[in-house]
Amino acid sequence: GAGVSQSPSNKVTEKGKDVELRCDPISGHTALYWYRQSLGQGLEFLIYFQGNSAPDKSGLPSDRFSAERTGGSVSTLTIQRTQQEDSAVYLCASSLGPGTSAHEQYFGPGTRLTVT
Amino acid sequence: AQSVAQPEDQVNVAEGNPLTVKCTYSVSGNPYLFWYVQYPNRGLQFLLKYITGDNLVKGSYGFEAEFNKSQTSFHLKKPSALVSDSALYFCAVKLNTGFQKLVFGTGTRLLVSP
Repeated sequence: GAGVSQSPSNKVTEKGKDVELRCDPISGHTALYWYRQSLGQGLEFLIYFQGNSAPDKSGLPSDRFSAERTGGSVSTLTIQRTQQEDSAVYLCASSLGPGTSAHEQYFGPGTRLTVT
Repeated sequence: AQSVAQPEDQVNVAEGNPLTVKCTYSVSGNPYLFWYVQYPNRGLQFLLKYITGDNLVKGSYGFEAEFNKSQTSFHLKKPSALVSDSALYFCAVKLNTGFQKLVFGTGTRLLVSP
């Protein structure tokens, strides 16, 4: 079946511009996660959505970062006033969510963001 | 707080030889442990997990891992390495309650030579 998809695959933007990254999770997965992968910081958690519950935003690095999940499916990660340190690969993952026996998360191919 | 250590930045092994990629963890509770593999310009692929039960878990592509609670380790192993196994490997942990996020190690690059 279809896996997690992300768009765009690559994004180059100028410092100070806003960007939106999109994630389509696996159908039926109630949990959705955003992570960031960068050379200096490794893989770091950003935000977690589970069903209709309030998201866990504890990993967002600043108030320039926000995310939403519409209809319990597609998610958009928005970075406002981008900075060069935002350059990284942004990975989205989904899973069946807590209360199930399947705890593994399935990752999309990522969006490589370059801020010039 | 949860943390994962992968002490080796790179592991080199000849094709056909056994391989081990090391991982140790620190959590204040019962862990769920995972291994993921990342090929160049690709996302992370799930390999295997330990949730409960048998300490030896088997996963995709002939990989296996052994959960050792006393040593807080979850080393990844394969009896006979393939050149195509060359990739970046990540160990990850999460608690069985509460936070759902994965905490990753820094990754180990596996290089299998022909």
